Amino acid sequence: QKEVEQNSGPLSVPEGAIASLNCTYSDRVSQSFFWYRQYSGKSPELIMSIYSNGDKEDGRFTAQLNKASQYVSLLIRDSQPSDSATYLCAVKTAGYSGAGSYQLTFGKGTKLSVIP
Amino acid sequence: DVKVTQSSRYLVKRTGEKVFLECVQDMDHENMFWYRQDPGLGLRLIYFSYDVKMKEKGDIPEGYSVSREKKERFSLILESASTNQTSMYLCASSLGRGFGETQYFGPGTRLLVL
Repeated sequence: QKEVEQNSGPLSVPEGAIASLNCTYSDRVSQSFFWYRQYSGKSPELIMSIYSNGDKEDGRFTAQLNKASQYVSLLIRDSQPSDSATYLCAVKTAGYSGAGSYQLTFGKGTKLSVIP
Repeated sequence: DVKVTQSSRYLVKRTGEKVFLECVQDMDHENMFWYRQDPGLGLRLIYFSYDVKMKEKGDIPEGYSVSREKKERFSLILESASTNQTSMYLCASSLGRGFGETQYFGPGTRLLVL
């Protein structure tokens, strides 16, 4: 059973603070990891992808991956009210038919609220 | 820019009706996906397709079928709609196996089955 776990939140942080979002996954052979942001009533949009252990930075966002611990996180520096959204962690896992097919398994998301 | 469009933003149907949800992408992507999203349950994969006329079951295929006759179009079919299929339906596409796994989502269709 493929599982991706996230704290549902809500996670509240003051404006300007660092928001830390965490995700664990069960499939040890997973190689690709994604963070999506979803505003209320909207569809998910990709923020970052990460494939190698360590940190990957893009502007105010940093994704961190530790495959040994099966853990991926997203840090948002200088949090803004516009960052208030639900953040979805997604992990690439093998499809049921095997033979190279794949799917993304999503966590249930963490709701972030940035307080002005 | 990748564009994924869905035929309706809101849809109201009656129990037992046959429902078609259509999704079109304009970036020549190989893979297309159908999800449903429900509060507390997150995003769950219904079906996906990695080539024309190819389909693969996701995590919750029961009560659904799909059709992919052309590369750019992927349809989700509810043969006999039931109230427990009331949900937000999201279509996504990605470039292809080994070439790009990032999924791009359409705006979603909110379906209400009465």
